[in-house]
Amino acid sequence: GQNIDQPTEMTATEGAIVQINCTYQTSGFNGLFWYQQHAGEAPTFLSYNVLDGLEEKGRFSSFLSRSKGYSYLLLKELQMKDSASYLCAVRDSNYQLIWGAGTKLIIKP
Amino acid sequence: TAGITQAPTSQILAAGRSMTLRCTQDMRHNAMYWYRQDLGLGLRLIHYSNTAGTTGKGEVPDGYSVSRANTDDFPLTLASAVPSQTSVYFCASSGTSGAGANVLTFGAGSRLTVL
Repeated sequence: GQNIDQPTEMTATEGAIVQINCTYQTSGFNGLFWYQQHAGEAPTFLSYNVLDGLEEKGRFSSFLSRSKGYSYLLLKELQMKDSASYLCAVRDSNYQLIWGAGTKLIIKP
Repeated sequence: TAGITQAPTSQILAAGRSMTLRCTQDMRHNAMYWYRQDLGLGLRLIHYSNTAGTTGKGEVPDGYSVSRANTDDFPLTLASAVPSQTSVYFCASSGTSGAGANVLTFGAGSRLTVL
């Protein structure tokens, strides 16, 4: 079967750095996505990786290793507004998105 | 503001009743999707449509139906609601080619409670 694994919850301190991991086992691979979802709101697109390596976008970076079936989302200079759930999703060989359950990130002052 | 509009925002429904969740987008996206989101589970695809006039079944289609008469609208119907359909429902859309494919734009969600 297809599976996306992420930690359920993480806690970090304002101003610090946090890394949210995602491992996947899917039938084929056509890209990996990270979305942010604040409580009670819709998910919003953060990043997309299809080749191995690091994609940087401001305070957020996303890394992919296809051989290891692994990605991480790195958040720097954490702000209180970064408190949210972070969803990892993989596009499989049929171009369908398989979603992880999400990681709830709690930022403490 | 361009995007996706869902209605209603929330609804309490008696088991056995029918309900249609509405979804309209103004981005001229070809593909549209309906997901449900339940605590502890990832987003699960109910139905999708790659272009107007076509629909397909997702991971959890039973008990739901959709139609895609035009590009903008993608309603989701529950013919006879059951308590297990209590969930938050998200409509989404995306382009179908290039880098925009599968970069989803989501509506604000519809919270449905079936009693």
